[in-house]
Amino acid sequence: NAGVTQTPKFQVLKTGQSMTLQCAQDMNHNSMYWYRQDPGMGLRLIYYSASEGTTDKGEVPNGYNVSRLNKREFSLRLESAAPSQTSVYFCASNRGGEQYFGPGTRLTVT
Amino acid sequence: KQEVTQIPAALSVPEGENLVLNCSFTDSAIYNLQWFRQDPGKGLTSLLLIQSSQREQTSGRLNASLDKSSGRSTLYIAASQPGDSATYLCAVSSNYKLTFGKGTLLTVNP
Repeated sequence: NAGVTQTPKFQVLKTGQSMTLQCAQDMNHNSMYWYRQDPGMGLRLIYYSASEGTTDKGEVPNGYNVSRLNKREFSLRLESAAPSQTSVYFCASNRGGEQYFGPGTRLTVT
Repeated sequence: KQEVTQIPAALSVPEGENLVLNCSFTDSAIYNLQWFRQDPGKGLTSLLLIQSSQREQTSGRLNASLDKSSGRSTLYIAASQPGDSATYLCAVSSNYKLTFGKGTLLTVNP
């Protein structure tokens, strides 16, 4: 099992550009999550999907959209990147309350 | 709104010492509590998961306790080793979502 995988690992964007962060899990988990991690702020929930076909906002959803493409895949889209979105983004899935994290995507917006 | 606090923010100990990391949360209506380890530039690795009905969990040299009524958890690390150096994060779960503390940066000196 690969667990939770994320692509890309690193990305540099210019302000105003768009991109999609990809996440997939092979553990047949229903729930999936997107977090961002910033120095001094800890991990904050952007969006989550409790099950295939549903998505909900977390603590910091502004500037992001998500798609739960199927049970395996949950993508995060930045439509018009801003420097404030420079962060490390983590995807996670959940089974029985235990969360499993991907390796992260380090995004820089200049 | 759930808030999670971890004390201390940083801790430096000599190798071999036993140590305790603290986590407190404001809303006792939790589903479970999870302790994670994060190495620099890496994702989060789950260490221990305590369900709300449990008092403690053990894995090797790690022991985590949970006192839901007082909103506290501790992570006890026995006989610390330099390889234990990392950031330790506590997270509480309710209604599909995790709320994280900002972590304790642990350094174990040889």
